[in-house]
Amino acid sequence: AQTVTQSQPEMSVQEAETVTLSCTYDTSESDYYLFWYKQPPSRQMILVIRQEAYKQQNATENRFSVNFQKAAKSFSLKISDSQLGDAAMYFCAYKPPDSGYALNFGKGTSLLVTP
Amino acid sequence: KAGVTQTPRYLIKTRGQQVTLSCSPISGHRSVSWYQQTPGQGLQFLFEYFSETQRNKGNFPGRFSGRQFSNSRSEMNVSTLELGDSALYLCASSLGEEHYGYTFGSGTRLTVV
Repeated sequence: AQTVTQSQPEMSVQEAETVTLSCTYDTSESDYYLFWYKQPPSRQMILVIRQEAYKQQNATENRFSVNFQKAAKSFSLKISDSQLGDAAMYFCAYKPPDSGYALNFGKGTSLLVTP
Repeated sequence: KAGVTQTPRYLIKTRGQQVTLSCSPISGHRSVSWYQQTPGQGLQFLFEYFSETQRNKGNFPGRFSGRQFSNSRSEMNVSTLELGDSALYLCASSLGEEHYGYTFGSGTRLTVV
């Protein structure tokens, strides 16, 4: 079974600074999908960014970008110009090919943003 | 455009009872999946339905079941509740195209006493 590891249970960043959240995964597949989701106190999981493994280019969504290292099976999330509203739990998720929508999540990283 | 709606938001049940949770996906979304979220185990995949057919199932006992109706609305049922079933149950919907990703609801917080 594929596993997703987020080694940082908690991270802290000051407003306007940059923070990087780590994620590694284990798979024998060559084509798959990776996601970062954000879960604020409202409980709703919000898709932050996604990456298709066959694409070499790192995905970017405004202040959010990823560093996808396929050989190292690493998928880190960089948040630039951090804002108070970025405070939340962040989950990394892996989806194998031909699996419908069965996502395999990491345990999450709690991000605190300080003024 | 309405999001994914889960009802109820909170539920308290007694051990041994059964419970049914409801999920209304975004209009036009045909795939509905369910996840269980607990502090200890994190987010775990329960099952996925696509066009009324179960397409995928996680590693949960048979007490956990679900179904999807022709309008894509889905229900999840847990029979013979155990204390360990206390969790946040999240529903997510998708168009069904692999690369789109999910849209999640706000979940149902189930407490078993």
